[in-house]
Amino acid sequence: NAGVMQNPRHLVRRRGQEARLRCSPMKGHSHVYWYRQLPEEGLKFMVYLQKENIIDESGMPKERFSAEFPKEGPSILRIQQVVRGDSAAYFCASSADRNSPLHFGNGTRLTVT
Amino acid sequence: QQQVKQSPQSLIVQKGGISIINCAYENTAFDYFPWYQQFPGKGPALLIAIRPDVSEKKEGRFTISFNKSAKQFSLHIMDSQPGDSATYFCAATQNEKLTFGTGTRLTIIP
Repeated sequence: NAGVMQNPRHLVRRRGQEARLRCSPMKGHSHVYWYRQLPEEGLKFMVYLQKENIIDESGMPKERFSAEFPKEGPSILRIQQVVRGDSAAYFCASSADRNSPLHFGNGTRLTVT
Repeated sequence: QQQVKQSPQSLIVQKGGISIINCAYENTAFDYFPWYQQFPGKGPALLIAIRPDVSEKKEGRFTISFNKSAKQFSLHIMDSQPGDSATYFCAATQNEKLTFGTGTRLTIIP
């Protein structure tokens, strides 16, 4: 009974490169959320998706960031032309429905050099 | 804009003591208040949660106290153990979106 799986666990990118973060929700979960955590801070909401639909992206920067959750395969958070300020831990969470608790993965730690 | 304020930032408690972490919120539309526990290198794990129509919820050594009129809620850890050493986050939900506090780093000393 695997939990939320995120990969890679660590990702190093140079400024200007692209970062792709993957999230496979728990089996049976169709709701996916992405959060960002800066050192010594709480998690900040980025985006909420259901299969093939973006429900709420109010926490996503308007430029360079995008997210998808296709019918088949994992959810992808994509950051284009990364900058040093993008360095953070990115957490994915999933739930079975709108009223169920969120289960988090162990995150992807992105370092931009 | 910090919608959920959490204190203290760090807390040291002796083994067997009571750990207390406090949170306050402004948005009266929040309808669900979970607490998460996070160990280094791991994602947050749901610990205990409460809805605003209940003033207290207890699960084992963990208790949430909720004061709707004051817009405050707190986590109490009874008989604190070294294994409880972690970072704790309060959170509040509106429209399936979690807003987290800034976290409390709890250390339990022998």
